[in-house]
Amino acid sequence: AQSVAQPEDQVNVAEGNPLTVKCTYSVSGNPYLFWYVQYPNRGLQFLLKYITGDNLVKGSYGFEAEFNKSQTSFHLKKPSALVSDSALYFCAVRPPTGGGNKLTFGTGTQLKVEL
Amino acid sequence: DGGITQSPKYLFRKEGQNVTLSCEQNLNHDAMYWYRQDPGQGLRLIYYSQIVNDFQKGDIAEGYSVSREKKESFPLTVTSAQKNPTAFYLCASSTLGPNTEAFFGQGTRLTVV
Repeated sequence: AQSVAQPEDQVNVAEGNPLTVKCTYSVSGNPYLFWYVQYPNRGLQFLLKYITGDNLVKGSYGFEAEFNKSQTSFHLKKPSALVSDSALYFCAVRPPTGGGNKLTFGTGTQLKVEL
Repeated sequence: DGGITQSPKYLFRKEGQNVTLSCEQNLNHDAMYWYRQDPGQGLRLIYYSQIVNDFQKGDIAEGYSVSREKKESFPLTVTSAQKNPTAFYLCASSTLGPNTEAFFGQGTRLTVV
């Protein structure tokens, strides 16, 4: 069975500084990995995904993520954080085959960007 | 405008009552999902469906039921057997295939009073 771990419940960063939100995964075979963002009392918005190819994936709002197969990680990054980036971030994984197309989510990381 | 619509946004249930949460999509997606969100627990899968008239239990299906009579609709019923139903419920849809992202509705917050 697949699983995702987000080891930090909260990440604090100053505006203008780079940010990293960590994610590690466990799945049989090559994974399909996703990042979503959630603002209070709203649904999840898709940010980016890793399917295959280049290990650095670029997504919406200046976010990017680095896939590292040997460390089974898919950390979300942004070179310069904005206060408006403050939100709850979820990492998710799908197995390459089987599993009924299910997305398995991590527990989420609250990002707080301060002036 | 394409998307997923969940209704109502807020729902209050008395203990012992069944309630139904609506989810409609006009994205022509084959797959639909229901997730439950609780603080600190992330999203947990309740039920999912890949085709009309077929659905599968997720990780926490007890006390819930679904139907998929139309491609566009995937309502979730929270039954009286669900002992702790107060939560934020999210519906999602996607095309079939592991490399496709899911699109989410805005959620329904259910509170037992």
